[in-house]
Amino acid sequence: GAVVSQHPSRVICKSGTSVKIECRSLDFQATTMFWYRQFPKQSLMLMATSNEGSKATYEQGVEKDKFLINHASLTLSTLTVTSAHPEDSSFYICSARDPRLEGKQYFGPGTRLTVL
Amino acid sequence: GQNIDQPTEMTATEGAIVQINCTYQTSGFNGLFWYQQHAGEAPTFLSYNVLDGLEEKGRFSSFLSRSKGYSYLLLKELQMKDSASYLCAATDSNYQLIWGAGTKLIIKP
Repeated sequence: GAVVSQHPSRVICKSGTSVKIECRSLDFQATTMFWYRQFPKQSLMLMATSNEGSKATYEQGVEKDKFLINHASLTLSTLTVTSAHPEDSSFYICSARDPRLEGKQYFGPGTRLTVL
Repeated sequence: GQNIDQPTEMTATEGAIVQINCTYQTSGFNGLFWYQQHAGEAPTFLSYNVLDGLEEKGRFSSFLSRSKGYSYLLLKELQMKDSASYLCAATDSNYQLIWGAGTKLIIKP
């Protein structure tokens, strides 16, 4: 079946540094990818919708200058957390929409970010 | 507004059957998904319903009633590994996923 990979799986960084997370669809071309954040014991929160070749659409309350999203190809979207702070520590999950089945999303394994 | 409701937590016994309900209100509708999420892991796809009726897939079945805005996930022959959160998500007219908060299922021996 379809597979979405995410890298890195875990990252620990110092406050003030930037962290880049990659999301790749491995066996299908995804024109749309999504970035979610999940805090412990809470549901997924959509951060932004990433569209190949155009600017991402951010959800209300998500700072686009802090969470930079680039969807440069049909198989790769990146999320860069700029000037990370401890409150940005969270589980970041990407998903890719399979164009062969409208609406169906496959999730990456997630990235655990810890900002010290 | 758009809304998904599902119970916060349910408890069931190993070997038994459990039904997790989900009601939804969306602007347009293009199908409903169920995902399973174990603690600390990303969600995994379980089922997709767009037409009314029951879809059976092994021990898991999913039901949809579009007229009632209602779905359920049925888990049979429960195993300890089924302890997880189960997320209901409906797609609206723009194919955006509207997520429920998830139902934490606790399986007891």
